[in-house]
Amino acid sequence: NAGVTQTPKFRILKIGQSMTLQCTQDMNHNYMYWYRQDPGMGLKLIYYSVGAGITDKGEVPNGYNVSRSTTEDFPLRLELAAPSQTSVYFCASSTSRDRYEQYFGPGTRLTVT
Amino acid sequence: EDQVTQSPEALRLQEGESSSLNCSYTVSGLRGLFWYRQDPGKGPEFLFTLYSAGEEKEKERLKATLTKKESFLHITAPKPEDSATYLCAVQEGGSYIPTFGRGTSLIVHP
Repeated sequence: NAGVTQTPKFRILKIGQSMTLQCTQDMNHNYMYWYRQDPGMGLKLIYYSVGAGITDKGEVPNGYNVSRSTTEDFPLRLELAAPSQTSVYFCASSTSRDRYEQYFGPGTRLTVT
Repeated sequence: EDQVTQSPEALRLQEGESSSLNCSYTVSGLRGLFWYRQDPGKGPEFLFTLYSAGEEKEKERLKATLTKKESFLHITAPKPEDSATYLCAVQEGGSYIPTFGRGTSLIVHP
């Protein structure tokens, strides 16, 4: 199993541009999550999904959108990128039974200039 | 005010020098407290979940304990490969949103 994969690994965006961060898991997990990690700060949950077609806001959802059309994929969309969105983004997944045991992807480092 | 506070922010140990990391929390109705390990440039890796005061879990040189206000991650006879940032997080009952601490950066010198 590849686990949780994320693309791209790195990206530089100009202010106002848009992009989609891709996340795929091959563990048949129902739950998926998007976090951002800023230097010196704890991980913050952006959005989560408890199954295909079901998504909900986390702690810091503004400026982002998600969709979940399949169990495997959970893309994160950034519209009108802003410097405040410069961060490292992690996707994670878990089973519904052990939702605290989350498996994280390797992350996407995004810089908005 | 942070709901989850980890201390110290950074810790340097000699190989074999045992120590403990602290995670204190102020949330009410704790549903679970979890520990992760994060290596530089990588995603966090799950270590433990603790659900109730008095619970303990062990994995190799690591032992996690939980009280009503804090959790400790004890590291016994650490090795250089234990060097990493250790993250603590809590989740309140009924919430899907975990609160993470800022982490403790551990360096173990050979």
